[in-house]
This record gives sequence, structure tokens and C-alpha cells, in this order.
Amino acid sequence: AQRVTQPEKLLSVFKGAPVELKCNYSYSGSPELFWYVQYSRQRLQLLLRHISRESIKGFTADLNKGETSFHLKKPFAQEEDSAMYYCALSGNRGSTLGRLYFGRGTQLTVWP
Amino acid sequence: ETGVTQSPTHLIKTRGQQVTLRCSSQSGHNTVSWYQQALGQGPQFIFQYYREEENGRGNFPPRFSGLQFPNYSSELNVNALELDDSALYLCASSLEVNTGELFFGEGSRLTVL
Repeated sequence: AQRVTQPEKLLSVFKGAPVELKCNYSYSGSPELFWYVQYSRQRLQLLLRHISRESIKGFTADLNKGETSFHLKKPFAQEEDSAMYYCALSGNRGSTLGRLYFGRGTQLTVWP
Repeated sequence: ETGVTQSPTHLIKTRGQQVTLRCSSQSGHNTVSWYQQALGQGPQFIFQYYREEENGRGNFPPRFSGLQFPNYSSELNVNALELDDSALYLCASSLEVNTGELFFGEGSRLTVL
């Protein structure tokens, strides 16, 4: 069965420190992985997807199929990065197509 | 460009009642998905509509039903409300079916007493 695990419910770092939000998944196939973010009083929005291999707002995420992980990283956290981050998986076959399986989210707080 | 809009933003119902939530998709998007987000949890897929047909359903009972209209707007209906149906209901639209790139609305917060 497909599952997304975000082991940290809360994560706090100081401004300028590196940050890594962990995400592990289980899926018997080749999924597509995403990070969604929700800033305070804003709607849930896509941050990045693994197939685009982009850096968005300084964040990167690499899909590690061997470790079934898709950790989100940023070398120097900023206060405006404080938000709830959700890792999500979309399957590539059958009933898993077109739907997202979300983790429970990690609330990141960046202190000044 | 108009984003995804949902109504109502908040509502309170009692157990056994029925509720209808509405969603207008982003301009140009033909696919609408609904998610339920319980407190402290990630969103959970309910179902998806593409060109007015249901295109996939999550693990929700039949009392959760939906519609999509020719203008791609959508409704989520829940019958015989239970206390556990209290949650934030998110609507998301996408430019194409079978994509994980979704554009979410702000949600409808349902409280069942």
C-alpha cells in the first residue's frame, strides 16, 4: 500500500541554519513525489516536484529510490520559510493515478 | 486569473443532517478533486471528477458523493453526517487529469455536533 511518512511533526531552526524536512514513502512502482507548503493564512500550494529538479525559494529535494526518501533541504533557512510542509506521492498506475497521498505534515518554525 | 474558490468557508451541522459544499475551479482547469483534512492530519483523497464523470475514489463510504458541472465547478455532498465527518474539506483543480500538480482552494470547515 502507498504511504507517506513525515517523522517530524514540529521542526525549529534559527535563521541562517540549514534545514532538512524528512519524507519517506512506500509504493510498489515509480511514484511522483511532491512537496506542498501552507503559509500562515494561505492556501495549500505546490512548492516543488521531483521530476522538475528545480530549486524553489532555495529549497531542493532529491528522490532517493534506494532509501525511498524525498527529503526537503535548504542550506540557509529564512524566517519567511516558517510554514506547514506536506510531502505527497502520486502513483503511476491504476487507482493511484491522479490522486495525492499526503504525509501528516511538518510545521517548520524559523527563529530570528 | 481566478483561483479555486470554495463555499461556504465555515458551517455547523448536526449528526444525521446532509451538507453540500461547492467549488469553482481555476480558469481553464477541467479536473476537480476533493480532499478531507482532519485536524493534525494531511489531506486525504475523497474523489476526482473529470469532464463531469467520477475518475477515481478514495476510501470513503457512498454517503460521500459529488457532481461536476459543464463549467467544471463541482459539489461535494455528504449524507447522514457523523461526528467524524468534522474536518476541513479541500477542493483542488488541475489543468489535466492524472497530475499531482493541484491548485487548492482555502477549504470549507465543517463541524458536526
